[in-house]
Amino acid sequence: SQQGEEDPQALSIQEGENATMNCSYKTSINNLQWYRQNSGRGLVHLILIRSNEREKHSGRLRVTLDTSKKSSSLLITASRAADTASYFCATDAGGGSEKLVFGKGTKLTVNP
Amino acid sequence: NAGVTQTPKFQVLKTGQSMTLQCAQDMNHEYMSWYRQDPGMGLRLIHYSVGAGITDQGEVPNGYNVSRSTTEDFPLRLLSAAPSQTSVYFCASSYYAGGGGLEQFFGPGTRLTVL
Repeated sequence: SQQGEEDPQALSIQEGENATMNCSYKTSINNLQWYRQNSGRGLVHLILIRSNEREKHSGRLRVTLDTSKKSSSLLITASRAADTASYFCATDAGGGSEKLVFGKGTKLTVNP
Repeated sequence: NAGVTQTPKFQVLKTGQSMTLQCAQDMNHEYMSWYRQDPGMGLRLIHYSVGAGITDQGEVPNGYNVSRSTTEDFPLRLLSAAPSQTSVYFCASSYYAGGGGLEQFFGPGTRLTVL
């Protein structure tokens, strides 16, 4: 079973606009991560946010975490065509698990 | 550093055949994992290892075997291929990042088709 579920499943925007993707999960976590996957490639780690953090920034990326709602959001500001990819959230199962559980992803298309 | 390498990139098997997917990493990471990704799905964990000589099952282990004789290598064996194992397979190595979570580094994947 998958811990994280991303929303929306697909998102199409124009270059320069902001893109927001959401992730909901079911059980308590120690941390949540976001990954990007370009078509035909492996996943690339973007950012990790701990359960005691509410917001984290990395360049044009902003991640928020609301543990009371068991949800996270990834905001990409001033999007570029190169941001076109699928984005996945991943959670540990809490309790120090060495296993990450991935959601099904949001497919983002940024039109030039 | 090459990071995580996987071979082969593409493979076609007939039902019942066996094969080994190779995975190697040169980052001296203790943790390694195998995932499969099916269309429209996220990654599902097949097997993982927390160090040489130690392996454990993930979410979908049936039909697959792993071993970890060295830190660098983590091969995945398909015992008797079935069409349901048609998928893209990703190997990852990982370490505990500053936030206390396992940050994973992925290989480029092996696209497997079972006829």
